[in-house]
Amino acid sequence: DAKTTQPPSMDCAEGRAANLPCNHSTISGNEYVYWYRQIHSQGPQYIIHGLKNNETNEMASLIITEDRKSSTLILPHATLRDTAVYYCIVRPFYSGGGADGLTFGKGTHLIIQP
Amino acid sequence: DTAVSQTPKYLVTQMGNDKSIKCEQNLGHDTMYWYKQDSKKFLKIMFSYNNKELIINETVPNRFSPKSPDKAHLNLHINSLELGDSAVYFCASSHTGELFFGEGSRLTVL
Repeated sequence: DAKTTQPPSMDCAEGRAANLPCNHSTISGNEYVYWYRQIHSQGPQYIIHGLKNNETNEMASLIITEDRKSSTLILPHATLRDTAVYYCIVRPFYSGGGADGLTFGKGTHLIIQP
Repeated sequence: DTAVSQTPKYLVTQMGNDKSIKCEQNLGHDTMYWYKQDSKKFLKIMFSYNNKELIINETVPNRFSPKSPDKAHLNLHINSLELGDSAVYFCASSHTGELFFGEGSRLTVL
């Protein structure tokens, strides 16, 4: 997996949008950007993924720069329950079988302040 | 219904013992994984199984052995437990790039 760089920690006020950056300057053409999060004492949870277009689902939005060297995960209205470690991961997309696992970095510890 | 379930959630044991952690997924996924999260919170992949075939075995001691009786189960056996094996072990399953994780099994070796 290509390496990613994320800030170790960030704060955000409750109700505001949380914008989590990720640099992945060595990403390959066939690699997707995945975001996971791990709330304290729980298993990691999938959030969203994308290749080059911006993506949105019920949890978050993913903005990928045109050169694909960086991306931003946006939580539009952060709540206290969004406090977690957020991991940005790049890897190829497997249409079946999911042969390879994910390589987790250190992630960003997002703290939502009341 | 829990998609990926692990048992036990907590396990406390003595050094030198042999223990197992069980994992079951009801998602019909082809691939299952075991991850280890140490005290520094780093998540590292240990094994993956695809259709009962081991396809990843990172630099894990051979005291650790995955056993998959069928596609829905991947159990982790650990022999001769050491203090350094204390960690949280996560099972996961996947069909494509999205992994579904269990809630973890916290192993404490005394």
